[in-house]
Amino acid sequence: GEDVEQSLFLSVREGDSSVINCTYTDSSSTYLYWYKQEPGAGLQLLTYIFSNMDMKQDQRLTVLLNKKDKHLSLRIADTQTGDSAIYFCAATIQGGKLIFGQGTELSVKP
Amino acid sequence: DTEVTQTPKHLVMGMTNKKSLKCEQHMGHRAMYWYKQKAKKPPELMFVYSYEKLSINESVPSRFSPECPNSSLLNLHLHALQPEDSALYLCASSRDRSNYGYTFGSGTRLTVV
Repeated sequence: GEDVEQSLFLSVREGDSSVINCTYTDSSSTYLYWYKQEPGAGLQLLTYIFSNMDMKQDQRLTVLLNKKDKHLSLRIADTQTGDSAIYFCAATIQGGKLIFGQGTELSVKP
Repeated sequence: DTEVTQTPKHLVMGMTNKKSLKCEQHMGHRAMYWYKQKAKKPPELMFVYSYEKLSINESVPSRFSPECPNSSLLNLHLHALQPEDSALYLCASSRDRSNYGYTFGSGTRLTVV
C-alpha cells in the first residue's frame, strides 16, 4: 500500500541548516506537503510542492523533489530554537487522502 | 479567510455523554475531513466529505458520527466514547478531492473520563 517514511529525530545547532528527508511510494501523488506541529498544537502548513516541480523556495524554507526516486526534502536555513517541533511530510493519494510520514522531531540546540 | 476553525479547543466528557465537535471554513473548499491524532503520532484519517456527501469512512466505530450540514460546516457527533478515544481531533479542508490547498484546523483536544 501507499507509504511515506521519514527519519524520527534530527538535532542541529542554532544557526545551522536543517534538512529533513522523506520518501513516498505512490508515484501518482500530485501534492506533497510539509506540516509543522509544536507541542499541544495543531498542524501548521509550512509549504507544499506540486509533483511537476522540482524545487520551491519560501524565505528560509527550500523544498526539493526528486520524482524519479520519490524523495522529498525540506531545508530550513539559519535554524532557530523556535523551529523546534515535529515536522510531518504528507503525500496525496486518490480519493482525498493524505498519507503522513511518522514525523521528524527537530531539536535545535543553542 | 484562509483558516479552518474548530470548536471547542478542549473537551472533557464522560463515557455516557453526548457531545459534538464543530469545524468551519470559508475558503470555498468542497472537501472536508476528520482526522484523529495521538501524541507524537501522525494524524489518521477518519472521514472524507466531498460536496457535502460522505465519500470515505475509514472503518470508524459508530460511536463517532459525522455530519456535513452545508459546504462550510462539518460536525463530529460523539456518543458513548471510551478512554482510548482521547486524542486530538483535527478537521481539514481542501479545494476538492484533488487535495489542493489541504489546510488543517488547530484541533479539539478530547479527554474521555
